[in-house]
Amino acid sequence: GAVVSQHPSRVICKSGTSVKIECRSLDFQATTMFWYRQFPKQSLMLMATSNEGSKATYEQGVEKDKFLINHASLTLSTLTVTSAHPEDSSFYICSARNSYGYTFGSGTRLTVV
Amino acid sequence: GDSVTQMEGPVTLSEEAFLTINCTYTATGYPSLFWYVQYPGEGLQLLLKATKADDKGSNKGFEATYRKETTSFHLEKGSVQVSDSAVYFCALSDQGTGNQFYFGTGTSLTVIP
Repeated sequence: GAVVSQHPSRVICKSGTSVKIECRSLDFQATTMFWYRQFPKQSLMLMATSNEGSKATYEQGVEKDKFLINHASLTLSTLTVTSAHPEDSSFYICSARNSYGYTFGSGTRLTVV
Repeated sequence: GDSVTQMEGPVTLSEEAFLTINCTYTATGYPSLFWYVQYPGEGLQLLLKATKADDKGSNKGFEATYRKETTSFHLEKGSVQVSDSAVYFCALSDQGTGNQFYFGTGTSLTVIP
């Protein structure tokens, strides 16, 4: 149990376009999900905490208008990278808390060209 | 604030060598400690965890002991295999900070035959 599905696993987009990443809890309800970003050879940095039915809480330095988070149901949170630029290229990963602890998605490799 | 300091890599070992990856932490409360592993092209997978002082987490031949007196959670394996090549992240989750995860910078391990 406690599976988190993240899609897509890889995406390449043109500069200036928007990309949506989905994070689904498959067998449990997640009132809170977390979005992380990993730069090459660096650790995961928490970007925002996604709360079902309310606004996300963003970490300092993260542009909320650029990284739109929607958590409209207890099993789905989405991260939309708006007007993507090459510097947004990174590995994005979500996690959700459940009775077993925290489960991570498999991540999304975003490349902006 | 809470933080995790992890031994920098990369680490290269021969097969069957002994592995130690150092991890120390700073926390305001009583954190749970984790080791996550990220295989090439994949997301994070929980390797082992410990939730209180003196607990030992173990999995797949890896083990780590929660040492409160030294605020450490070093990862060890007696005999590494080529398949252990991955990036290893030490992390903590602290109830005092809303269970947010704090990750170390990750240590890349390469095991050569």
